[in-house]
Amino acid sequence: DQQVKQNSPSLSVQEGRISILNCDYTNSMFDYFLWYKKYPAEGPTFLISISSIKDKNEDGRFTVFLNKSAKHLSLHIVPSQPGDSAVYFCAASAFETGNQFYFGTGTSLTVIP
Amino acid sequence: DAEITQSPRHKITETGRQVTLACHQTWNHNNMFWYRQDLGHGLRLIHYSYGVQDTNKGEVSDGYSVSRSNTEDLPLTLESAASSQTSVYFCASSESRGTYNEQFFGPGTRLTVL
Repeated sequence: DQQVKQNSPSLSVQEGRISILNCDYTNSMFDYFLWYKKYPAEGPTFLISISSIKDKNEDGRFTVFLNKSAKHLSLHIVPSQPGDSAVYFCAASAFETGNQFYFGTGTSLTVIP
Repeated sequence: DAEITQSPRHKITETGRQVTLACHQTWNHNNMFWYRQDLGHGLRLIHYSYGVQDTNKGEVSDGYSVSRSNTEDLPLTLESAASSQTSVYFCASSESRGTYNEQFFGPGTRLTVL
């Protein structure tokens, strides 16, 4: 049973516009959430994270929002750039399970120049 | 610079063969993980280790084994390769068992089982 879900397999956005990637989770014990970015033939790289005590975390063009009541998080990229074209995975973990991450299925973002 | 490497990067094998994928990290991290990535499933945890001599089963551990004899290495063994194990395999490491630690990933190994 998939505990972390990314319901949009793909997303296309014009350069300069906002990209919004969504992620839902089912386990209320999750207290730490991350976004990873993956280019073809490379391993995922860490992008941004948020703990459950916050509802927003910002790092440059990237902002992650957490809605605990809805068990939903989103990644906003503003402005989007062609180099942002990649697959984005959200991941979640719970303190009780140590450092185990549960990953979503990924969203492939294409930023059109 | 510290890094995490995987070898081989590509491997083709036959059904029933034993295969070992190597993972080596120079971060001196206690935690190491193996994932497989498949279309429609994202990254799924196979096995993980929180330190030397410690190994644990993940979500999809059947048909796989690991052993941890030192901090730097966590080899993944497919005892008898099956076509269903054709996948891209990623190794990752993180500093400690605490929740708030990102995992660093290797470049991946693409395994094809014929």
